[in-house]
Amino acid sequence: GAVVSQHPSWVICKSGTSVKIECRSLDFQATTMFWYRQFPKQSLMLMATSNEGSKATYEQGVEKDKFLINHASLTLSTLTVTSAHPEDSSFYICSAQGGRGNGYTFGSGTRLTVV
Amino acid sequence: AQTVTQSQPEMSVQEAETVTLSCTYDTSESDYYLFWYKQPPSRQMILVIRQEAYKQQNATENRFSVNFQKAAKSFSLKISDSQLGDAAMYFCAYRSLHLMRFGAGTRLTVKP
Repeated sequence: GAVVSQHPSWVICKSGTSVKIECRSLDFQATTMFWYRQFPKQSLMLMATSNEGSKATYEQGVEKDKFLINHASLTLSTLTVTSAHPEDSSFYICSAQGGRGNGYTFGSGTRLTVV
Repeated sequence: AQTVTQSQPEMSVQEAETVTLSCTYDTSESDYYLFWYKQPPSRQMILVIRQEAYKQQNATENRFSVNFQKAAKSFSLKISDSQLGDAAMYFCAYRSLHLMRFGAGTRLTVKP
């Protein structure tokens, strides 16, 4: 079945630094990938839609200059949290769309802690 | 705007019994898909079942089945013969061509 690998699974960084999270589709080509943020005991909040070879589409209220998304190939999308602050601490999850009618396949998530 | 509503923040079921989780959605589109995802404590999102809106037949996957009422925009999940491993957060999700929305989730507890 479709597998999405997300790395790292957890990361701790200092305020002001940048962190990159990778999302890879291992056995299928993902023309579209999605990035979500999940606060404790809450649902997934869509941050942006990443399309291979084009600019990401950000949801209202999400700062595109802070959350940089790159989808340079059909198997890799990256989310870079720039100049991280403690309020950026959260659980970030990616998902990939592999084909028509498929349910999205999710990565295992990344827990980001900014200290 | 498309919204997904799960009106049950928490549900509880006895092991081996049946439980139904509710989900309603709002959309003006005709072509869309609906999903139920399970998120255990590991936080890995796991697809439980999916339903294409154009299909009238309710989807089933082993102990999991849905009651899809398109006119009422309702998409409930029935879990039969509940097992301890079914305990998790369950999210209802709506997907159209360029959009995906999740409900707030229902936390299911399974009592032994």
